[in-house]
Amino acid sequence: GEDVEQSLFLSVREGDSSVINCTYTDSSSTYLYWYKQEPGAGLQLLTYIFSNMDMKQDQRLTVLLNKKDKHLSLRIADTQTGDSAIYFCAESMRQAGTALIFGKGTTLSVSS
Amino acid sequence: DGGITQSPKYLFRKEGQNVTLSCEQNLNHDAMYWYRQDPGQGLRLIYYSQIVNDFQKGDIAEGYSVSREKKESFPLTVTSAQKNPTAFYLCASSMTLNTEAFFGQGTRLTVV
Repeated sequence: GEDVEQSLFLSVREGDSSVINCTYTDSSSTYLYWYKQEPGAGLQLLTYIFSNMDMKQDQRLTVLLNKKDKHLSLRIADTQTGDSAIYFCAESMRQAGTALIFGKGTTLSVSS
Repeated sequence: DGGITQSPKYLFRKEGQNVTLSCEQNLNHDAMYWYRQDPGQGLRLIYYSQIVNDFQKGDIAEGYSVSREKKESFPLTVTSAQKNPTAFYLCASSMTLNTEAFFGQGTRLTVV
């Protein structure tokens, strides 16, 4: 199928690291994205990784890509209460004429 | 300010009435999208448009209609044929189809 899979919930303590996981479908996907959605708002593009990369780091965010297993992860270091949100991964299929495919989202809850 | 604007933020309608949700972008993007978000369902694609005067059905197009007469605008009409119209609607745009998408702040539609 064309499902992008994510676990639905993650709960961490403030200051810990958070790791949000995603499995995608198309081994020939060109880009993979992470979006953040705060309550009642639209989605904000956090970061992305090109499919020929294994890792990308951007301040507190680290994206890891395992192409063999079609597994993508987002690590948030020193998680803060302001990081509480829904996180979506999305893949850009190489097949022409398709929009981004989104996962169902992982709700991150950060407790102080 | 460049961006994508959805209006209104909240919308209430009586059952059986058609309603049109507005989406405008000044990013000079060719592609535009409408998604529906329900709790636990993630994002589901309703319609998308690759260029002006062209649009394609997404996964859940039944009961919805769109137009793309101008590059900047992609309004969505929720018709009385849509069985469960109450939801959060998100509009997005991207430079071309299948590249990173930028989202509006969403419209919450409640049908009573």
